[in-house]
Amino acid sequence: AQTVTQSQPEMSVQEAETVTLSCTYDTSESDYYLFWYKQPPSRQMILVIRQEAYKQQNATENRFSVNFQKAAKSFSLKISDSQLGDAAMYFCAWSFQGGSEKLVFGKGTKLTVNP
Amino acid sequence: DTGVSQDPRHKITKRGQNVTFRCDPISEHNRLYWYRQTLGQGPEFLTYFQNEAQLEKSRLLSDRFSAERPKGSFSTLEIQRTEQGDSAMYLCASSLYGGPVGYTFGSGTRLTVV
Repeated sequence: AQTVTQSQPEMSVQEAETVTLSCTYDTSESDYYLFWYKQPPSRQMILVIRQEAYKQQNATENRFSVNFQKAAKSFSLKISDSQLGDAAMYFCAWSFQGGSEKLVFGKGTKLTVNP
Repeated sequence: DTGVSQDPRHKITKRGQNVTFRCDPISEHNRLYWYRQTLGQGPEFLTYFQNEAQLEKSRLLSDRFSAERPKGSFSTLEIQRTEQGDSAMYLCASSLYGGPVGYTFGSGTRLTVV
């Protein structure tokens, strides 16, 4: 069974600084996707960034980038120039490429941004 | 399109009662998913539909749970004889099969069983 582990229950960062959230996963599949989702308090979950496992190039979306290490099964999220609006729960997730594309989530990391 | 809508936002029910939640996906999305999220945990997959067909159900979905998606549009999730352990956030998400990978989530229905 696939598992996703987020070892940092909570992280904090100063506004305008950079923070990295960690995620490791376990799978025997070779074709899959990885995601980071953001869940602000009492608001809907939003897709931050996705990575296809077959792509060696790390995905980037504006201030958000990932460090994808396929051999190490590691998928960290870097947030640059942190903003107050980045404060949220961040979930790392995995899905098989094809089939149901159901997501397997980690337990999440609560990010606090200090002014 | 206003995204994925879920109704109600909050539901408080007494143990043993039946409850039903509704999800309206993005209109052009043909896949619809239900997840359950308990406090301090990430969401867990319950079931999904492609158009009107329910293609997969998790072992988490006991016999007391049933989901439908008539005509491939909105979906309902019913829980019969609710138990305190059913208290959770129930999330709905939709996607377009063959389109960009990644869901659009609704805001969820928070169920409290007292």
